[in-house]
Amino acid sequence: DTAVSQTPKYLVTQMGNDKSIKCEQNLGHDTMYWYKQDSKKFLKIMFSYNNKELIINETVPNRFSPKSPDKAHLNLHINSLELGDSAVYFCASSQDRLASDTGELFFGEGSRLTVL
Amino acid sequence: EDQVTQSPEALRLQEGESSSLNCSYTVSGLRGLFWYRQDPGKGPEFLFTLYSAGEEKEKERLKATLTKKESFLHITAPKPEDSATYLCAVQAYTGGFKTIFGAGTRLFVKA
Repeated sequence: DTAVSQTPKYLVTQMGNDKSIKCEQNLGHDTMYWYKQDSKKFLKIMFSYNNKELIINETVPNRFSPKSPDKAHLNLHINSLELGDSAVYFCASSQDRLASDTGELFFGEGSRLTVL
Repeated sequence: EDQVTQSPEALRLQEGESSSLNCSYTVSGLRGLFWYRQDPGKGPEFLFTLYSAGEEKEKERLKATLTKKESFLHITAPKPEDSATYLCAVQAYTGGFKTIFGAGTRLFVKA
């Protein structure tokens, strides 16, 4: 069983389109995250939700809107896609709100978004 | 500004040739330093957490150490299956806790 699963794995789309990436975790974790990994391989946090409540919102354009229907799901919707949005987006989850006890984040396999 | 810098960017070793990866950090309110392994096309996989200077953790051929300004990931007698990108991350408090990653070191181990 996959612990953190995200779909789709690959997404190719035109500039200006709207797209969504879905994430589900079956670990029973309270906190979920979205990270963006750019071409230089930097992983940057975008959002964090704890029990459906937004707790971290980095400087991300308003075109990015996360939604957490329940604590096992965190989806990412992107409006008006731009070339610079091309990256790999990783969903992750952790046992507690701060991931402070072990620091362990459980990552999905990533969704590679290509904007043409 | 909180920052994590890893060196070298890439490292090529022969099987059995031990070496070390470096992670230096500047962060306020450090809660922990983490090492992850990332294989191509996969998400990062957790390896270690270090909380205080002087702490060491080991797992098979890997040993992580921590000082007040940097961490080392020592790889002893590496095998080709150790080839991956190794990511260092710190958990900091900046109005809220968050995990900040370095760019990683790509390790290639040749048989």
